[in-house]
Amino acid sequence: DIQMTQSPSTLSASVGDRVTITCRASQSISSWLAWYQQKPGKAPKLLIYKASSLEGGVPSRFSGSGSGTEFTLTISSLQPDDFATYYCQQYNGTFGQGTKVEIK
Amino acid sequence: EVQLVESGGGLVQPGGSLRLSCAASGFTFSSYAMNWVRQAPGKGLEWVSAISGGGGSTYYADSVKGRFAISRDNSKNTLYLQMNSLRAEDTAVYYCTTMRHWGQGTLVTVSS
Repeated sequence: DIQMTQSPSTLSASVGDRVTITCRASQSISSWLAWYQQKPGKAPKLLIYKASSLEGGVPSRFSGSGSGTEFTLTISSLQPDDFATYYCQQYNGTFGQGTKVEIK
Repeated sequence: EVQLVESGGGLVQPGGSLRLSCAASGFTFSSYAMNWVRQAPGKGLEWVSAISGGGGSTYYADSVKGRFAISRDNSKNTLYLQMNSLRAEDTAVYYCTTMRHWGQGTLVTVSS
């Protein structure tokens, strides 16, 4: 099975900061990667699909990049609504362990 | 509007069985692969199982292989998850999802 490893596990940042989260796959998954945002008590929300395509309605401060085994999610200027937990997922498969973005 | 509505969760004893359902509407159900994803209390997301649009291909996480079975009835726009030999570690909120759209989840508690 393909393993997905996210880093960091927790990230402390301030409003306006640029934030980058990394996801590594144990073998190549081409661009078959999605990023989600989850807030407490809510279902996850799709942000990015096919590694770099922005889901409709998602603010343009979110971006994704990478292919093969290395992927990144970047938030260009962190907003108060962005404090949440973020997960990567290989399509129809394993999730990363999550990155909690906290207020610094 | 796309809707995914899970049902069938509840309290079950270790070793017991439960069948989850997910009623889909607002999209062409048979055209989409479907997944079950779970989240134990205070933990991260765990992919459980996936099924192709036609139902001919199924996939399982190692943690549930041999105990859980995913299926779908495209005539009823419904996804299922048959869960057998349940363990305490299967306690979680179970979501059905297309990846883009998610249900609200149904809680499964395995406890004596």
